[in-house]
Amino acid sequence: DSGVTQTPKHLITATGQRVTLRCSPRSGDLSVYWYQQSLDQGLQFLIQYYNGEERAKGNILERFSAQQFPDLHSELNLSSLELGDSALYFCASSVAPTGYDEQYFGPGTRLTVT
Amino acid sequence: AQKVTQAQTEISVVEKEDVTLDCVYETRDTTYYLFWYKQPPSGELVFLIRRNSFDEQNEISGRYSWNFQKSTSSFNFTITASQVVDSAVYFCALRGNTGNQFYFGTGTSLTVIP
Repeated sequence: DSGVTQTPKHLITATGQRVTLRCSPRSGDLSVYWYQQSLDQGLQFLIQYYNGEERAKGNILERFSAQQFPDLHSELNLSSLELGDSALYFCASSVAPTGYDEQYFGPGTRLTVT
Repeated sequence: AQKVTQAQTEISVVEKEDVTLDCVYETRDTTYYLFWYKQPPSGELVFLIRRNSFDEQNEISGRYSWNFQKSTSSFNFTITASQVVDSAVYFCALRGNTGNQFYFGTGTSLTVIP
């Protein structure tokens, strides 16, 4: 158990809908990272937050947004969902903002868009 | 451009054989970080190692070893005396200090046959 929690574990929704994925980092970790893993695109980095501030941005679509709250949990919002958004979404956390330190991954949220 | 190439899509070895997973990267950054992650069949991602661009020392951790060579832009991973529990998908990743994004290879699926 990495100490990172993600909810929900599975999510099935229809095209055009909006969903929110939630991540709670390990106790003491200030950085949260979001990744998408799909058969088409492989493993992709989406975005990083450190202590509430956006730190790095990857291949995150404009339909997607994220934030990190004062209690350090993070949410990834996916809107106007398309079939191609079906993927496993991982959250990870680490102590430092650099991204160089060890990241601890949650179990992932499997999103299925029908 | 920032890019990670894992040319080996799938590898099968018999238990106790040694196996090397290749990783070649491209970056224009002078400071960058390299990582290996393991994704076992259960699906969670596990951090294995990180290296920064100024540290070319090879590292050994138990049956695992990593060979970082800047001259060939490679960061290869060797498992000695492989075991069935090593069966997983292994990802190599790069993080430059321009933009702080992570770039992942497509992964190498390792199957260790008992």
